[in-house]
Amino acid sequence: DQQVKQNSPSLSVQEGRISILNCDYTNSMFDYFLWYKKYPAEGPTFLISISSIKDKNEDGRFTVFLNKSAKHLSLHIVPSQPGDSAVYFCAASEEIWGSSNTGKLIFGQGTTLQVKP
Amino acid sequence: DAGVIQSPRHEVTEMGQEVTLRCKPISGHNSLFWYRQTMMRGLELLIYFNNNVPIDDSGMPEDRFSAKMPNASFSTLKIQPSEPRDSAVYFCASSSGRGSVNQPQHFGDGTRLSIL
Repeated sequence: DQQVKQNSPSLSVQEGRISILNCDYTNSMFDYFLWYKKYPAEGPTFLISISSIKDKNEDGRFTVFLNKSAKHLSLHIVPSQPGDSAVYFCAASEEIWGSSNTGKLIFGQGTTLQVKP
Repeated sequence: DAGVIQSPRHEVTEMGQEVTLRCKPISGHNSLFWYRQTMMRGLELLIYFNNNVPIDDSGMPEDRFSAKMPNASFSTLKIQPSEPRDSAVYFCASSSGRGSVNQPQHFGDGTRLSIL
């Protein structure tokens, strides 16, 4: 049972256009969501995150939107650049305030983004 | 700043052999995570340490896998005996907290393991 799903294995966009990567989750207890970017032969690197108390978080060209009722989040990259070509992983974590938790991240399968010059 | 350091980067060995993967977390980080990445299952958490103590090992596939963290600057993941289905990329990550949104996990570059 996959709790975090990235249904699009790949996405191709033209340089300068918007890239939209989508992620769905099933566990309503997830409170924090993160996006990681991964280049070949390297480990994932943290990109941007959002808490469930927000519906949007922006960092430069990257914006993450959270729709809790739909259990859906998306990452927007505007404008897309060829250097953004990588695998993007969505991850979710359950934080229980006031009690212990494992800090366990559940990752989606990843979406390979190709930005064409 | 030195990131998470994993060794070896590549390991090729025959079925039945013992395999030991090593990880040095970022100095000052108190949480350490071992992940496995495969085409079929994506990135899976195997085990998580906090302050050198294993907290959650529910992702460890079976008794052939074991992990230790003898001190704050070193961890090992051991597979004995190894099997072809263990072939994957193994990542180590560390964070300064429990890996929440304010303390994201930092990953090493992984060990690509091939069991023949």
